[in-house]
Order: sequence, then C-alpha cells, then structure tokens
Amino acid sequence: AQRVTQPEKLLSVFKGAPVELKCNYSYSGSPELFWYVQYSRQRLQLLLRHISRESIKGFTADLNKGETSFHLKKPFAQEEDSAMYYCALDTGRRALTFGSGTRLQVQP
Amino acid sequence: DTEVTQTPKHLVMGMTNKKSLKCEQHMGHRAMYWYKQKAKKPPELMFVYSYEKLSINESVPSRFSPECPNSSLLNLHLHALQPEDSALYLCASSQTGQGTDEQFFGPGTRLTVL
Repeated sequence: AQRVTQPEKLLSVFKGAPVELKCNYSYSGSPELFWYVQYSRQRLQLLLRHISRESIKGFTADLNKGETSFHLKKPFAQEEDSAMYYCALDTGRRALTFGSGTRLQVQP
Repeated sequence: DTEVTQTPKHLVMGMTNKKSLKCEQHMGHRAMYWYKQKAKKPPELMFVYSYEKLSINESVPSRFSPECPNSSLLNLHLHALQPEDSALYLCASSQTGQGTDEQFFGPGTRLTVL
C-alpha cells in the first residue's frame, strides 16, 4: 500500500534562513506528488505539484524517484510562510494519501 | 464562484440523531470528495464521486452515507454515529478527478457526537 512519511512534526527557522520540509513516499509505480498548505484560519490549498515543475511563493520541490522523496525547499523563509504543510500522493486512483504534516514556524 | 462551500460550520448531534452535511461548488468540477480529519492528523479520504457516480469508498462504516444529487452538490448523511466519529469533515472538488488535478477544499464542518 502507498504511504507518505513526513518525519518532522515541527520545523522552526528564523526569517531569511533556508527551509527544507522532508517528504518520502512508498509506491512502486509512477506517483503524482503534491504539497498542500494550510495557513492559520484558512482552508487547505494546493501549493505545488511535481508535474508542473514550477516555483510557487519561492518554494520548489523535486521528485527524486531513486530516493522516493519529494522534499519542499525555499532558500529564504518569510514569516508569512508559517503554516501546516502536507505532502500528498496520488497513485492514479484519483485519491490523495496525505502525510502526517509538518508545521513550519518562521520566527522574526 | 471559485469556492467550495460547506454547511453547517459546526454540528453537535446525539448518537441516535440523523443529520446531513452539505457541500456545494459551482466551478463545473466533476469530481467531489469527502475527507475526515481528526485533531492533529492529516485528512483521510472517505468517498470519491466522479461524474455523480461513487467511484471510491474507503471502507467507511454504513452509518456514513454519501449522496451526489447533481454535479454541484454533495451530501453526507449521518445516522447512529459514535463519539469517535467526532472530527472535521472536509469536502473537496476537482475538475475531472484525474490524478494530476488540483483539489479545492471547503472550510469543513466540525462535527461533535455526544
């Protein structure tokens, strides 16, 4: 069965520091991978997906099939990046499996 | 209208009650989803409707009964729930239900079962 692992429950960094939120998955086929974000008092929303290969709000994520990882990175964290981040996997069933989430705190 | 709306925002019900959660979208999306989210946990998929047909049921107990009356509406009928069913129930929609589609989430209904 597919699984998504986010090893850090909480990641705390200072403003301007680099950020890396880790995500590993287990699935033998070709996965579709996403990062969803939930800001305080807002609904869950898509941040980026691997198929788009785009940068959103300065964040990027590269799918590494060899390491089965899809880590989220940003070179310089901003206070407004503080949120809950979920890595999610779709194996083609049209159903998302979410990781347990990482709370990012960016301190001033 | 580019949002998924859910009503009610909060619901408190007894174990013998029957209630329904409602979800609506007017983005022309043809796939709709119900997720359950317990406190400090990620969303867990319950049901997927694709073109108004139930396509995925993640072994959800029969006390939860989904309904998709049309392409814009999704209901979740609740009957004889248990206290452990207390959670945030999220609705989402996507354009076609393809794996690469972005899912748009509603704000959720916070359910408390007494």
